[in-house]
Amino acid sequence: DAEITQSPRHKITETGRQVTLACHQTWNHNNMFWYRQDLGHGLRLIHYSYGVHDTNKGEVSDGYSVSRSNTEDLPLTLESAASSQTSVYFCASSETAGFDYGYTFGSGTRLTVV
Amino acid sequence: SQKIEQNSEALNIQEGKTATLTCNYTNYSPAYLQWYRQDPGRGPVFLLLIRENEKEKRKERLKVTFDTTLKQSLFHITASQPADSATYLCALVGTDKLIFGTGTRLQVFP
Repeated sequence: DAEITQSPRHKITETGRQVTLACHQTWNHNNMFWYRQDLGHGLRLIHYSYGVHDTNKGEVSDGYSVSRSNTEDLPLTLESAASSQTSVYFCASSETAGFDYGYTFGSGTRLTVV
Repeated sequence: SQKIEQNSEALNIQEGKTATLTCNYTNYSPAYLQWYRQDPGRGPVFLLLIRENEKEKRKERLKVTFDTTLKQSLFHITASQPADSATYLCALVGTDKLIFGTGTRLQVFP
């Protein structure tokens, strides 16, 4: 069965370190997204990609970067981790560039920056 | 400013009753509105989508309405069961991306 997997599930890192969160999907979806979820804020879009070599900034992109070298993967990098980036991160993918299909989400990565 | 509002207080109902969750929005004119279910420690799961020209959409025990005049969507679960306990998120299409509400937690008691 097709799936979308995130790794690691939990990560503790120190302030200032570079961290990369992995997202891998086997749906063959062109569109992939990274969100963070915090109490009181809901899901907020960090970066998204509509295909290989395409990346776009979301509403909370500062301090994060992504690259898309193939269809299956969209890793999220925190260039210099800050305590404000402690959050739960979700990767999602979708079949179309429009919004007439739902998104498929991974199970999330809980990141703690100490 | 643009806002999506869902009741932040938990909704507690008895098994067998109909649960109704509300999603209100301001300063958006979404063409689509989606509803998701999220269980603790898991990612959201897509449930239903409704288009702006549709008043109502049903799927098994779920029903969604979309009133573009009131700027409101209602999400109903009929004959609710304890297994329906979860957080339910609404999401609408902003300019070029999906915007999520903060969700409402539903607790169904036996």
